Amino acid sequence: GAGVSQSPRYKVAKRGQDVALRCDPISGHVSLFWYQQALGQGPEFLTYFQNEAQLDKSGLPSDRFFAERPEGSVSTLKIQRTQQEDSAVYLCASSLARVAGGDSTDTQYFGPGTRLTVL
Amino acid sequence: LAKTTQPISMDSYEGQEVNITCSHNNIATNDYITWYQQFPSQGPRFIIQGYKTKVTNEVASLFIPADRKSSTLSLPRVSLSDTAVYYCLVGGYTGGFKTIFGAGTRLFVKA
Repeated sequence: GAGVSQSPRYKVAKRGQDVALRCDPISGHVSLFWYQQALGQGPEFLTYFQNEAQLDKSGLPSDRFFAERPEGSVSTLKIQRTQQEDSAVYLCASSLARVAGGDSTDTQYFGPGTRLTVL
Repeated sequence: LAKTTQPISMDSYEGQEVNITCSHNNIATNDYITWYQQFPSQGPRFIIQGYKTKVTNEVASLFIPADRKSSTLSLPRVSLSDTAVYYCLVGGYTGGFKTIFGAGTRLFVKA
């Protein structure tokens, strides 16, 4: 694809509702990341996938947050029983995870984000 | 993971060169230095990446001293459209990649 796409772009949920946010990475990208960005802050790492394997989920703030990438391509971030503090922009990024010469570079390409507002 | 320190904000005028310095005293041997740019309502966009010395591309230059404890992003002849937040990151791929963004530097370019 041309770039990373995310849907929906905007989501309003009532407190207690479950939401699902979708990320379509660049075709062929091995790595996929989710971030949470609060207003005026930098993105905060949530979780990382290499193909379908979730290798790092240390940034997920609670067990209400769950991410999956079952076929190693599209990913979904699910938030159960949303709370007001979950209101933020959720960014997805993908990368080739290219390795060259024993070292590696891992440029991440970001989607436009999903702005979640919990009322 | 190396922590980075950047100025919170900077002002400049159109046509000037802007240099944003980032400190990363605890950078590891295999860490790369990457800069991203973010406009409102958009995801961060890759600008430039380097390991040591100087790297230049069509939009910016990145200067890294020998000790690699800091780096400077140089934007030549900025325009109003360069008003954005700029993030400095350090990290490397080790079979897992936890990326840490700081608060970034808010650059305001004035006419």
